[in-house]
Amino acid sequence: EPEVTQTPSHQVTQMGQEVILRCVPISNHLYFYWYRQILGQKVEFLVSFYNNEISEKSEIFDDQFSVERPDGSNFTLKIRSTKLEDSAMYFCASSAQGAPSNQPQHFGDGTRLSIL
Amino acid sequence: GNSVTQMEGPVTLSEEAFLTINCTYTATGYPSLFWYVQYPGEGLQLLLKATKADDKGSNKGFEATYRKETTSFHLEKGSVQVSDSAVYFCALSPNDYKLSFGAGTTVTVRA
Repeated sequence: EPEVTQTPSHQVTQMGQEVILRCVPISNHLYFYWYRQILGQKVEFLVSFYNNEISEKSEIFDDQFSVERPDGSNFTLKIRSTKLEDSAMYFCASSAQGAPSNQPQHFGDGTRLSIL
Repeated sequence: GNSVTQMEGPVTLSEEAFLTINCTYTATGYPSLFWYVQYPGEGLQLLLKATKADDKGSNKGFEATYRKETTSFHLEKGSVQVSDSAVYFCALSPNDYKLSFGAGTTVTVRA
């Protein structure tokens, strides 16, 4: 069964550095998402992306964050000038169509980001 | 706003016991409701969903019924196995692009 893959599985970065989290969505999917889960807290929506632009973003997704689909297969989340509070598990997801009720979101295994 | 509240864990059960995880929601309009499961070391997997009132989602012996009158979507399984040990997340989508998750309930099933 096709799956969403995320790399790396664990990223350790010094505070203030930039980090890029990578995702390869399922190949025929058109909608892409990033979520994060701070340890002990809920999974939180960050951003959704369709047709090479952001379709929705949360208030967490400020100017520090950006997303990109640099080629036909990768979907990346860039975090500039990382802060301690950015430490979390970051999940990528994709779906074939919009409105999750019609086509479910498929999630990757996550990237654990640790900011030192 | 939209939010999901699920019963706090952890929940520890013996094999073949009955499992219920309560989930209630607050939303405008008529959201779709989901249960996701996260097995150790893995990502979130869709377990089941319901898109309108009175719908029952089911998968792998798990069931949940969309109850609009009580704004609930409780997850049940009649006889759990050790392999059901995981974290279970209730979630909703008000038919836009994002999922709103509950805090997750850790379930441990002992042999």
